[in-house]
Amino acid sequence: EIMMTQSPATLSVSPGERATLSCRASQRVDSKLAWYQQTPGQPPRLLIYDASTRATGVPARFSGSGSGTEFTLTISSLQSEDFAVYYCQQYKTWPYTFGQGTKLEIK
Amino acid sequence: QVQLQESGPGLVKPSQTLSLTCNVSGGSINNGDDYWSWIRQTPGKGLEWIGYIYYTGSTFYNPSLKSRATISLHTSKNQFSLSLNSMTAADTAVYYCVRGPTSSIEAFDIWGQGTLVTVSS
Repeated sequence: EIMMTQSPATLSVSPGERATLSCRASQRVDSKLAWYQQTPGQPPRLLIYDASTRATGVPARFSGSGSGTEFTLTISSLQSEDFAVYYCQQYKTWPYTFGQGTKLEIK
Repeated sequence: QVQLQESGPGLVKPSQTLSLTCNVSGGSINNGDDYWSWIRQTPGKGLEWIGYIYYTGSTFYNPSLKSRATISLHTSKNQFSLSLNSMTAADTAVYYCVRGPTSSIEAFDIWGQGTLVTVSS
C-alpha cells in the first residue's frame, strides 16, 4: 500500500496571500495524483487530477505540480471560501490511498 | 449532471451487516466509462477507499477490509450497493458513494453527500 503524507497538518495564511501545501508518496505514483477540498459537512470536492489538471469549474488560482513522489498544491490568492481541509490521493496502484489532510485556516 | 445519493440505516449493532444503497441520477450506471466506488471517512483514519464495481460486475476491494465488503450493481434501478459484515465500532464512519475512476478522469469526480453510520449496541 502506498502511504501518502501531507504537510503541514495545519497551515495559517491570511486572505489574499499564497498557500502552498505538500504531499509525498511512499512510492512513485508518476502523475496519478489528485487533490480534493473539503468544507465542514460537505463531501470532498475534486480540484486537481493527473497532478496538474484542474477539474471542471475550479478557479485558476488553484494549481498543482509535481510527479513521482513529491507534489504541491498552490492557491495563489486565498479567498474566504478556500479555508478548508485539503487531501491528496494516489491512483497509481490499488488500493487507492489518501493523505491525512492539511487544514488551511485563516491567520 | 450525474448525482449520487446514499441511503441506509444510521445505526448498526456490533457483529451485524451494514447495507447501503447509492441511487445514481442524471446518467446511466450501465456504461463502460465509469467505475462506481464506496469511500468512508473517520476522524481517526481519514478517507479510506473501500472498493469499486464496473458495469460488467467486476469488483476490487481494499484488502484492509479483510473480505468483509461486497459491492453490487442493480442496473434496473440505476443503483449500486455496499454490504459490510461483522461490523465493529471501528466501522463507525461517514460512507460516501462516488463515481470514479472514469475513462477520462481516474480520480473520484462526483461524490454523494455521505451518510453517517454508527456502530453501537
